[in-house]
Amino acid sequence: TQLLEQSPQFLSIQEGENLTVYCNSSSVFSSLQWYRQEPGEGPVLLVTVVTGGEVKKLKRLTFQFGDARKDSSLHITAAQPGDTGLYLCAGRRNYGQNFVFGPGTRLSVLP
Amino acid sequence: DAGVIQSPRHEVTEMGQEVTLRCKPISGHNSLFWYRQTMMRGLELLIYFNNNVPIDDSGMPEDRFSAKMPNASFSTLKIQPSEPRDSAVYFCASTQNAGGIYNEQFFGPGTRLTVL
Repeated sequence: TQLLEQSPQFLSIQEGENLTVYCNSSSVFSSLQWYRQEPGEGPVLLVTVVTGGEVKKLKRLTFQFGDARKDSSLHITAAQPGDTGLYLCAGRRNYGQNFVFGPGTRLSVLP
Repeated sequence: DAGVIQSPRHEVTEMGQEVTLRCKPISGHNSLFWYRQTMMRGLELLIYFNNNVPIDDSGMPEDRFSAKMPNASFSTLKIQPSEPRDSAVYFCASTQNAGGIYNEQFFGPGTRLTVL
């Protein structure tokens, strides 16, 4: 059983479309991170959210942390082929040093 | 600046052989993490070190796995004996643990291990 669930598992869209991917848990996290991983490489951090209800924007990407700090969403506006990759959420519990990762959403943006 | 360095990038071995994966963290970082990634189980934390001391090894699958960090610039993950189910991509990551909540983990490129 995964501590963090991500949906959808796979997503294939056309360039220019909008999309939202989700990260859900029954556990409360002190903070949550989103990473993007491209084939043959390690994950790269996109954002860290800390406060319940927090919204952060990174160009065309909008991240939201749920009010109860149990879930998060990532919205991409006008997706581009360069957004293709595996999107991972990672939750930090009890202010410890380690994060637990979700299984990821594999996004493919077709030109 | 050099990022996290891992070697080898690819390793193919036969069941029963010893495998050693190596990691050089980013200079100045004092926390190091070993992860394993598979399609079935995703990215799993195996062990992490703070200031070269193992803090949490609860993710290490079994006694066949061991990890060491003899100094701040080098760590190894050893599997002995290796089994086909150990086939995965193994990542090393490091961070500057200053006690903050925005600590970013920097991942290496990974070692793709195949055990035949």
